[in-house]
Amino acid sequence: GEDVEQSLFLSVREGDSSVINCTYTDSSSTYLYWYKQEPGAGLQLLTYIFSNMDMKQDQRLTVLLNKKDKHLSLRIADTQTGDSAIYFCAESPRGSSASKIIFGSGTRLSIRP
Amino acid sequence: SQTIHQWPATLVQPVGSPLSLECTVEGTSNPNLYWYRQAAGRGLQLLFYSVGIGQISSEVPQNLSASRPQDRQFILSSKKLLLSDSGFYLCAWSAGDTEAFFGQGTRLTVV
Repeated sequence: GEDVEQSLFLSVREGDSSVINCTYTDSSSTYLYWYKQEPGAGLQLLTYIFSNMDMKQDQRLTVLLNKKDKHLSLRIADTQTGDSAIYFCAESPRGSSASKIIFGSGTRLSIRP
Repeated sequence: SQTIHQWPATLVQPVGSPLSLECTVEGTSNPNLYWYRQAAGRGLQLLFYSVGIGQISSEVPQNLSASRPQDRQFILSSKKLLLSDSGFYLCAWSAGDTEAFFGQGTRLTVV
């Protein structure tokens, strides 16, 4: 079946790196995503990675994909207070007539001074 | 460019009343459309998705229904709301296997 799992909470000190982890079950997924949700708002796509890639870097964001272990991580360098949000991992599995995007439960990132 | 509109932003409804949330997409044709619910302190749950007019797939049994009367219009409905229907509802669209674009959400409180 399709399932995406992530830890619920992460607390880091301002200026440190944040690493948010995610595991997924569908090995046929083509795309894997990281979304950010700020309080009371919709989701915004932060970054995504194709399943044939191992790593993707975009400014302070680094995505690592381990296909063998079905593990995805998001690293935020130099974490700032504006990075406080819920971060959702998501996968887009193949094999169905529609592209369903399956989300994890979200990791709430809090920043301490 | 493509945009997605979802309304209303907030809604307070009594138990047993009907519900209609509307979502429209502009700037694209034949999008995949989705309704998600985010319960307080929990993650996103896919409720319905649609690949075309009149085609609705339900992911979980519930008190809600969805309809797609036009290519870029997706409606979430209920005949009688329950307290457990409270939550944050998000509409989204995608073009195949690519990223999903989300509306700003509707916060529904059933009292």
